[in-house]
Amino acid sequence: AQSVTQLDSQVPVFEEAPVELRCNYSSSVSVYLFWYVQYPNQGLQLLLKYLSGSTLVKGINGFEAEFNKSQTSFHLRKPSVHISDTAEYFCAVSVDSGYSTLTFGKGTMLLVSP
Amino acid sequence: KAGVTQTPRYLIKTRGQQVTLSCSPISGHRSVSWYQQTPGQGLQFLFEYFSETQRNKGNFPGRFSGRQFSNSRSEMNVSTLELGDSALYLCASSFTGFGAQETQYFGPGTRLLVL
Repeated sequence: AQSVTQLDSQVPVFEEAPVELRCNYSSSVSVYLFWYVQYPNQGLQLLLKYLSGSTLVKGINGFEAEFNKSQTSFHLRKPSVHISDTAEYFCAVSVDSGYSTLTFGKGTMLLVSP
Repeated sequence: KAGVTQTPRYLIKTRGQQVTLSCSPISGHRSVSWYQQTPGQGLQFLFEYFSETQRNKGNFPGRFSGRQFSNSRSEMNVSTLELGDSALYLCASSFTGFGAQETQYFGPGTRLLVL
């Protein structure tokens, strides 16, 4: 079975600073990787996904992530954060077993302060 | 195009009662998945429906059930509610729900509080 570990439950950062949210996965088969964001009292919104090809994936709102197969990681980065980026971020995997069921990490709360 | 909608948004029930939550997928999407989100367990997959049939199921007790209608709208039911069922229940839709590459689109969720 696959699993996802998000190494930080909370990441505090100042506005305009860079940020990296870490995600590691475990799977015995090929995986597809996703980052979702959840704003307060809202559902999940897809930020970006890695399916194949270039290991650097660009998403919405200036976020990007890099797939590293040898380290089984898919860290999310943004060079300069805004107050509005304050939200919970979830890393998820889907395995190539047929269904598009997602296995999520526990989430990382990004707290951006002025 | 309207997104995934869920009703009601908030619900308060007492132990032992049952509850029904509703989800309307994006137009044209035929797969509906349900997830439970709690602070302790995070986001966990409940089940997935396609063409009125349950195709995939997570590791939840039989008190959790669902169904899908011919218009792809889905309901989930929880019987004999327990305090631990308090959670945010998220619904997600996709075109076919088949294939790891397909993106799932999430609704805003129904927040259930069991007293």
